[in-house]
Amino acid sequence: GENVEQHPSTLSVQEGDSAVIKCTYSDSASNYFPWYKQELGKRPQLIIDIRSNVGEKKDQRIAVTLNKTAKHFSLHITETQPEDSAVYFCAAGKGFQKLVFGTGTRLLVSP
Amino acid sequence: GAGVSQSPSNKVTEKGKDVELRCDPISGHTALYWYRQSLGQGLEFLIYFQGNSAPDKSGLPSDRFSAERTGGSVSTLTIQRTQQEDSAVYLCASSLLSGRMDNEQFFGPGTRLTVL
Repeated sequence: GENVEQHPSTLSVQEGDSAVIKCTYSDSASNYFPWYKQELGKRPQLIIDIRSNVGEKKDQRIAVTLNKTAKHFSLHITETQPEDSAVYFCAAGKGFQKLVFGTGTRLLVSP
Repeated sequence: GAGVSQSPSNKVTEKGKDVELRCDPISGHTALYWYRQSLGQGLEFLIYFQGNSAPDKSGLPSDRFSAERTGGSVSTLTIQRTQQEDSAVYLCASSLLSGRMDNEQFFGPGTRLTVL
C-alpha cells in the first residue's frame, strides 16, 4: 500500500523567511496530493493541492511542486507570518479513494 | 448544513463500554471517510464509504470497530468494548465524487474520545 514520509517534523523560521516541507510517496499510481493545515484544536483544512499531470501550482505565498519520477512533492511558503504557525500534513491519494497522510510538520514562525 | 458535522464533540467512557460516533457529511457528498488522530500524531485512515457501501475497510484496527452509512448520508462509527488505546480524535471527512481526478476532502471538527 501507499506510504508517505514527511520531513522535517518541526521547523522554526523567522517571520519573512521561507519554509519548505518535503514529502515522498511510494505508490506510483497515486495521482492527487493535497496539503492540509491544522491549527491547534481545529480540523485539518486544505490549503493547496496538486494533480499528477501538473508539476507546480502556486497560490499567493504558497506553492507546491511535484516530481513524479522521484515520487516526491514539496510545500513552499514564502514571506512567512506568525499566523502560518500550525501543523502541516501532506497526503497522497488516488482519485476519490482514501488519503494516506504524512506524519506532519509543526511550523513555528517567530515574529 | 454548511459543513461536515460530528457528534458528540467529546466523549468520555469507561474501558469495556461501547461508543457510537456520528458524522453528518456535506449535503450531496457521495464519499465519506473516517480517520483517527492520536495526540500529536498524523491522520490514520479507518474506512471509506462510496454511497452506502464501504469499498475500503482496510484501516479498521480490529473487529471491535465497525461503521455503517444509511441513505447515502449519515454515518456511524461504533467501537465495542473500548480500550484505552482507542483514545484519540476521530475525524470524519466527505467529498463530492465529481469524476475529476482530485476530490477535496472536507473535514468535520472531530470527536475527542477518552477511554478511562
